[in-house]
Amino acid sequence: DGGITQSPKYLFRKEGQNVTLSCEQNLNHDAMYWYRQDPGQGLRLIYYSQIVNDFQKGDIAEGYSVSREKKESFPLTVTSAQKNPTAFYLCASRDTGTLAKNIQYFGAGTRLSVL
Amino acid sequence: AQSVTQPDIHITVSEGASLELRCNYSYGATPYLFWYVQSPGQGLQLLLKYFSGDTLVQGIKGFEAEFKRSQSSFNLRKPSVHWSDAAEYFCAVGSRTGTASKLTFGTGTRLQVTL
Repeated sequence: DGGITQSPKYLFRKEGQNVTLSCEQNLNHDAMYWYRQDPGQGLRLIYYSQIVNDFQKGDIAEGYSVSREKKESFPLTVTSAQKNPTAFYLCASRDTGTLAKNIQYFGAGTRLSVL
Repeated sequence: AQSVTQPDIHITVSEGASLELRCNYSYGATPYLFWYVQSPGQGLQLLLKYFSGDTLVQGIKGFEAEFKRSQSSFNLRKPSVHWSDAAEYFCAVGSRTGTASKLTFGTGTRLQVTL
């Protein structure tokens, strides 16, 4: 089955630690996105990538970093500079080459908590 | 800048009753419009979308939405709610300009269904 896989489902971070959230898709989509979800705030865009080896900051990029070395993978690192990392993180992808090219499809999310 | 307002944070309806969830957007032209649904601890699933054409769009699970340009609204409706519809619903607007197709989400409406 084609889809977006996020791992792990739950992640715990210690003070001063960097952690990496995985996002893999087998939909052959060019564009990928990372969102942060906090209660009552909807989804906010952290980073996005429209093509391999290229990515742009979203609205709340501070304290986060990404890479896009492969089309199917878009890992997100939450660095120690992110002082309030506790949230639900969602990865999405989009097919840029079809009529339905503006639809984003989402993974099941990773819940990050601070120990 | 585009924005989305979902004025109802929480709605409770009885099973079998009709449902309308409100969504108002701010955008300089005709946007792309979406409704997504999220079950607890899960990712987002696309319910329906508006790109162009008929302003009444049908989606999955018996949902429909109507685009009203004069009111800048895209309200979601269902004639008869089922207990399994209990979830959080997000309205989103997407830009027609540029290639990034970034989405801006509302803060969500949590639907509770009583039996």
